[in-house]
Amino acid sequence: DIQMTQSPSTLSASVGDRVTITCRASQSISSWLAWYQQTPGKAPKLLIYKASSLESGVPSRFSGSGSGTEFTLTISSLQPDDFATYYCQQYNTYSTWTFGQGTKVEIK
Amino acid sequence: DVQLVESGGGLVQPGRSLRLSCAASGFRFDDYAMHWVRQAPGKGLEWVSGITWNSNNRDYADSVKGRFTISRDNAKNSLYLQMNSLRPEDTALYYCAKDIGESPPRGLWGQGTLVTVSS
Repeated sequence: DIQMTQSPSTLSASVGDRVTITCRASQSISSWLAWYQQTPGKAPKLLIYKASSLESGVPSRFSGSGSGTEFTLTISSLQPDDFATYYCQQYNTYSTWTFGQGTKVEIK
Repeated sequence: DVQLVESGGGLVQPGRSLRLSCAASGFRFDDYAMHWVRQAPGKGLEWVSGITWNSNNRDYADSVKGRFTISRDNAKNSLYLQMNSLRPEDTALYYCAKDIGESPPRGLWGQGTLVTVSS
């Protein structure tokens, strides 16, 4: 089974900061990596798919990079709506997913 | 409308069974793999089970293997999760989710159905 390790688990930042979250896969998943944002009481929202493709309607301050086993999500200038929990997800096979443990982005 | 709507959650005693359903609309259901994902109160996302478009492959998290069964009915645009031998640790909000795929709608999730396992 593929394991996903996400870091940090919590991140304190201010509006305007550049924020980076890292996700590592236990084996190569090529570019089959997605990033989600979740706010309390809501379903996860897809931000990035195929490691670096921006989902339609998602602000361009969000970007993803990486391939193989190392991936990053970057928010170039943190906005008030961005304080949330972020998850990476591998979808290397059609019928199996794995999520990272999540990163909570808090207000500093 | 493009949507997924879960149903079937509720309060159930340990050891009992429950069947969740997910009704899909607005996209070609039979083109995509489908998944169940759960989230225990205050915890992260946990993938539970997935099924390919033609039901040929079904996979399960170790935590539910042998107790849960995923199935689908493409004629009814519906996904199911049969949950047997439920445990308190199965208490969670259960989401139905469409495989991401190559074209929209990609990140399609339902709003979830709450399962509470308690005596």
